[in-house]
Amino acid sequence: GEDVEQSLFLSVREGDSSVINCTYTDSSSTYLYWYKQEPGAGLQLLTYIFSNMDMKQDQRLTVLLNKKDKHLSLRIADTQTGDSAIYFCAEIRNTGFQKLVFGTGTRLLVSP
Amino acid sequence: KAGVTQTPRYLIKTRGQQVTLSCSPISGHRSVSWYQQTPGQGLQFLFEYFSETQRNKGNFPGRFSGRQFSNSRSEMNVSTLELGDSALYLCASSLSSGGGETQYFGPGTRLLVL
Repeated sequence: GEDVEQSLFLSVREGDSSVINCTYTDSSSTYLYWYKQEPGAGLQLLTYIFSNMDMKQDQRLTVLLNKKDKHLSLRIADTQTGDSAIYFCAEIRNTGFQKLVFGTGTRLLVSP
Repeated sequence: KAGVTQTPRYLIKTRGQQVTLSCSPISGHRSVSWYQQTPGQGLQFLFEYFSETQRNKGNFPGRFSGRQFSNSRSEMNVSTLELGDSALYLCASSLSSGGGETQYFGPGTRLLVL
């Protein structure tokens, strides 16, 4: 399909790990991104991964990339209530020009 | 370094009016992209400006337009507003044009059309 797909909702307890999944569409995408959006706010860049990498770790965040299946995941270790937000993955799509295409967003709820 | 700023943050207009939104990119960034975010359609690309030229355009009607100034600040204009134009409008800046450049977003302008 043409949509970058994410599950809509994820609920975890504080201290647990969260895994947010994304299926993208453009196999030629050079970079893949994760953004976080808190209520009433813009998008905050969390991390990104270059397409020739399988994994990238950045403090509590781990990004895994499976190019064969066009699957991207974001793992948040020791999830905190402040991590509650909507998380968007994004791919670079080539349609005559390059543009950033976002997934549908996953709402993460962290309960104490 | 200051982040991307957008003004105004909130706006209420009525159908048929026009609106202009402003975006100031991060200092040194020359590319500005605009996005529309709605509950139904999600985040959709509007257009990108680089060196005062529109480089790319998404699938939006001609009522949506923009421009970029020599200091890289950008404005977008929506004419003949419709109820469906109610959305959060986000701008993002990057060092240069091209999808490989990481984009940094502003807080957005929330537009309500009555």
